[in-house]
Amino acid sequence: ILNVEQSPQSLHVQEGDSTNFTCSFPSSNFYALHWYRWETAKSPEALFVMTLNGDEKKKGRISATLNTKEGYSYLYIKGSQPEDSATYLCAFAGGSYIPTFGRGTSLIVHP
Amino acid sequence: DTGVSQNPRHKITKRGQNVTFRCDPISEHNRLYWYRQTLGQGPEFLTYFQNEAQLEKSRLLSDRFSAERPKGSFSTLEIQRTEQGDSAMYLCASSLAGTVRSYEQYFGPGTRLTVT
Repeated sequence: ILNVEQSPQSLHVQEGDSTNFTCSFPSSNFYALHWYRWETAKSPEALFVMTLNGDEKKKGRISATLNTKEGYSYLYIKGSQPEDSATYLCAFAGGSYIPTFGRGTSLIVHP
Repeated sequence: DTGVSQNPRHKITKRGQNVTFRCDPISEHNRLYWYRQTLGQGPEFLTYFQNEAQLEKSRLLSDRFSAERPKGSFSTLEIQRTEQGDSAMYLCASSLAGTVRSYEQYFGPGTRLTVT
């Protein structure tokens, strides 16, 4: 069983704060690391797919980094807004196209 | 809307009944995945198809669960003799294999099953 851990489990921040979450995963047999945003009552939405050690991806105020050698990825949100409130999931794919998901980080941004 | 759709969105059933869910993937996607998500957990892989072939099934998928994708388009997931432990969100996702975007999965909104 692959161990994909996300921390923190939940986070409350004020509008305008910057925040970051961690996803840790096995450092062997790396294939890809996915980040998703899942808002209540909606479909999980793909944010990033990262495949190379040292990858950095950015989408608006959200960015992610990847370290496959030590087995972690960070997701950063700059200047959080209430609409960023969601659960952020990471998923590790090791040697196949079948990802293993973490439990997610629940972010609530207070106006 | 050309995204992944799932029906029904909610299903309440009594223990022992059979239920069937449907997933319609993005039309050009040849891979289709089923996941189950329970409270406080991330989505757990159940099974996936490439075209109409079911390529892998999780050990989580008991004999009461069966999935089909008869023409390589939509898929159905059936649960026979439902148990209370089957209560969960059932998610479907699709992707396009054989391209650089193979890793990207597009999810449907899920079917929430409640077994009473």
